[in-house]
Amino acid sequence: QSALTQPASVSGSPGQSITISCTGTSSDVGGYNYVSWYQQHPGKAPKVMIYDVSNRPSGVSNRFSGSKSGNTASLTISGLQAEDEADYYCSSYTSSSTWVFGGGTKLTVL
Amino acid sequence: QVQLVESGGGVVQPGRSLRLSCAASGFTFSGCSMHWVRQAPGKGLQWVAFISYDGSNKYYADSVKGRFTISRDNSKSTLYLQMNSLRAEDTAVYYCARNPNTKFEFDYWGQGTLVTVSS
Repeated sequence: QSALTQPASVSGSPGQSITISCTGTSSDVGGYNYVSWYQQHPGKAPKVMIYDVSNRPSGVSNRFSGSKSGNTASLTISGLQAEDEADYYCSSYTSSSTWVFGGGTKLTVL
Repeated sequence: QVQLVESGGGVVQPGRSLRLSCAASGFTFSGCSMHWVRQAPGKGLQWVAFISYDGSNKYYADSVKGRFTISRDNSKSTLYLQMNSLRAEDTAVYYCARNPNTKFEFDYWGQGTLVTVSS
């Protein structure tokens, strides 16, 4: 049950786009279309932003999008806004009927 | 509206036990699978355990297998996590989270309860 691999930090200026990668294996990210992404502001509970690789829950801005290629999933945030500054985590269902999270990525809006 | 409220956290000595509860409201609890997810201070999220909607299936992270037990009481709309043989590395905020029916994401989370394992 090794954690998925995410970059520790990314940054961008308001209005720009950024992409956060999430690399796993064929037993998790590559084997299922059950990758989800979570936004967490300091001291708050996580909030789902993307599920099933590329679906947005109702109420989540269309500036957030997800994709997957092989064992790597990606979250793209376009038109960066100050309120997007947060920690982001990917998660995947696994072949062991368990779930695994990525190590998290701190997004800084410059 | 969907609400998940955890309770039962606190300070406990290594080797001792603690039981967390998660009271659910605003949805049909008996129709949803549930999870516990934890976050050590300043660290990332770690999945802990899963229980199916009817309690018939349970899965655990290797780090807690044999020490933690997830359970539920659908008549009380409450999820539990019995934690035995606690270690310092179990110190974390523990969140309960919901799986919408037949889905794999965590769509609602509680506010979390802090467990500190220290002598």
